[in-house]
Amino acid sequence: EVQLLESGGGLVQPGGSLRLSCAASGFTFSNFAIYWVRQTPDKGLEWVSAISATGGTTYYADSVQGRFTISRDNSQSTVSLQMNSLKNDDTALYYCAAKAPGNNPFDHWGQGALVTVSS
Amino acid sequence: EIVMTQSPATLSVSPGERATLSCRASQSVSSKLAWYQQKSGQAPRLLIYGASTRATGIPARFSGSGSGTDFTLTISSLQSDDFAVYYCQQYNGWPLYTFGQGTKLEI
Repeated sequence: EVQLLESGGGLVQPGGSLRLSCAASGFTFSNFAIYWVRQTPDKGLEWVSAISATGGTTYYADSVQGRFTISRDNSQSTVSLQMNSLKNDDTALYYCAAKAPGNNPFDHWGQGALVTVSS
Repeated sequence: EIVMTQSPATLSVSPGERATLSCRASQSVSSKLAWYQQKSGQAPRLLIYGASTRATGIPARFSGSGSGTDFTLTISSLQSDDFAVYYCQQYNGWPLYTFGQGTKLEI
């Protein structure tokens, strides 16, 4: 069974840091690019960051560029999102999602990790 | 960035009826268009990709059509389990995959 399991969410003050992790199982992790997608009632679904299957290429939305860092460990089938200098606007439910090679949609999603940035 | 616009924001339909949801892209995305279903408290689930191909395990009452900038998701004979929020997503150009704002399908 394909599974993506996020962890590391929580409450953090503005300016603080948090590290999200996504553990994958049930598919050939090293073949899939991984995205972090966040969801809020106001903005809906918004991609935040992406990392290629090999980990050699990373991308960030303008809203998090310079503050967030994505990384992966294919030997452990995990992806991490280091979030620094957090702002109130970063409050959201964060999903990791897996995408097959090529121009493809997100085949698999985790259940999400809630990040709340508040003083 | 390609902007995806869905309409209507909310669609009220009775069980057994047909629902038609629309999605428009601000520029052509060819057929690189997916539809997701999201139920309350759950992650989105892939329904349709390539504008018209059902994902594994998706019932035949779900169908997609369109290409370029205009797309439609049709759900024939709505069942109670179908009432959810539906999102379109363009994936024509890694990694800038953008979503529409969603259509809530309600009874």
